[in-house]
Amino acid sequence: GAVVSQHPSWVICKSGTSVKIECRSLDFQATTMFWYRQFPKQSLMLMATSNEGSKATYEQGVEKDKFLINHASLTLSTLTVTSAHPEDSSFYICSARDLRQYTGELFFGEGSRLTVL
Amino acid sequence: GENVEQHPSTLSVQEGDSAVIKCTYSDSASNYFPWYKQELGKGPQLIIDIRSNVGEKKDQRIAVTLNKTAKHFSLHITETQPEDSAVYFCAATKGSGGSNYKLTFGKGTLLTVNP
Repeated sequence: GAVVSQHPSWVICKSGTSVKIECRSLDFQATTMFWYRQFPKQSLMLMATSNEGSKATYEQGVEKDKFLINHASLTLSTLTVTSAHPEDSSFYICSARDLRQYTGELFFGEGSRLTVL
Repeated sequence: GENVEQHPSTLSVQEGDSAVIKCTYSDSASNYFPWYKQELGKGPQLIIDIRSNVGEKKDQRIAVTLNKTAKHFSLHITETQPEDSAVYFCAATKGSGGSNYKLTFGKGTLLTVNP
């Protein structure tokens, strides 16, 4: 199946700093990518839908100024956690769909674990 | 919006036994139901999916059934093995086939297969 790669896989930062997470579709183009957040022992919660060449669509309750999303190309979306605080510590996962396939399958990245000290 | 309920939250079985995880959904317009397996520290991996025009689908030891009338679908794993131990998530969406769609996930089931 298609491959979605995330980087970094884990990051530790100080409170108040910003952290950027990259999501790449390696062998297909994705006009849309999805960003999820997962707290320990909980389910995946959709944060935002990243659209290539346009603004991201954020879910209710997600601060767009805190979680900046850029989808500059058909294979790359980035999530920047600005002015991170300990409560932002979480597992962030992106996903993308290969539009060549009508199967509807979403391919997920391996996730990025953020720890804010 | 869509709401997906998943049960049980934890499931422990002996190796070789079968495991069944059940999910219900609220939006009758939902038409695509994938199941994901997530190992510790990793992203979810699709293991099987089913569309609303099909009642059952099987792939080796894994099968999924869908009852549209009752709005529930189930994952069946036969002849379980220790490597099946993971968290399993069901999901639902009504946007399948379109360029944009959102998945609503269940809360997950921690499956433990004891040797």
